Amino acid sequence: EAGVAQSPRYKIIEKRQSVAFWCNPISGHATLYWYQQILGQGPKLLIQFQNNGVVDDSQLPKDRFSAERLKGVDSTLKIQPAKLEDSAVYLCASSPDDRDTEAFFGQGTRLTVV
Amino acid sequence: AQSVSQHNHHVILSEAASLELGCNYSYGGTVNLFWYVQYPGQHLQLLLKYFSGDPLVKGIKGFEAEFIKSKFSFNLRKPSVQWSDTAEYFCAVSPTGGGNKLTFGTGTQLKVEL
Repeated sequence: EAGVAQSPRYKIIEKRQSVAFWCNPISGHATLYWYQQILGQGPKLLIQFQNNGVVDDSQLPKDRFSAERLKGVDSTLKIQPAKLEDSAVYLCASSPDDRDTEAFFGQGTRLTVV
Repeated sequence: AQSVSQHNHHVILSEAASLELGCNYSYGGTVNLFWYVQYPGQHLQLLLKYFSGDPLVKGIKGFEAEFIKSKFSFNLRKPSVQWSDTAEYFCAVSPTGGGNKLTFGTGTQLKVEL
C-alpha cells in the first residue's frame, strides 16, 4: 500500500517569500491533517479536513497560512508571507475517517526560512 | 485543552537494557493514547494505541504501555532494547471520538549503544 506522499522534501526560502507544500494521502482516506513540527517540539495540529471540508482550523495562523483540499484528495498548505519562526517540518497525515482509526504520516517537508 | 508531558528528553541505554519512557497527560475528559516512533530519516509510525479496555497495551516490536487513569500516565516499556530501537519516541493524546486530532509531547530521543 502506498503511503502518504509529500513534496518537496526540503525548501529554503527568504522571509517574506511565499511557499506551498503538497500532500497526497493514502487512497480512500477521507480525513487529512497538517501538522507543524518545530525543532525540539512534538508535532502540532494545524488543520483537519474531512473530504474537502475543513473540520478544525483553530490552530492555523490564518493571517499567513492557508490550506485547501480540492476534490477531497490532494491538499496544499501555503504560507504567505513566511516568517523566520515558520521554520519547521510540515507533516501531512491521513486516516480512513475522523473516528478512532490509525493515522498514517508522510515524511514531511522541512522548511527553512532565512 | 489537552497537554502531554514527556519527562525524558534524551535516554542512552546499552543493548539488552530495559526501557521505560514516561508520559503524562492533562485533559478533562476521556482520551485515546498513542505512542509513535520516528526512526532516523523515516516518517512517524504508530507503535501502539489505547482506546478502551485492557489498560496494558501491546504494540509492535515488543513494546508495551500501561494506562494508569489515576495517574494520567501512559508509560512505554520494553524489557530488552536493541540497537535498532534507536529513534525518537512521541507520546500523543486525542479526545475520545476525536480521531487523530493529536496533541503530542515533545519527544524522547533514545540511543541504544552496542
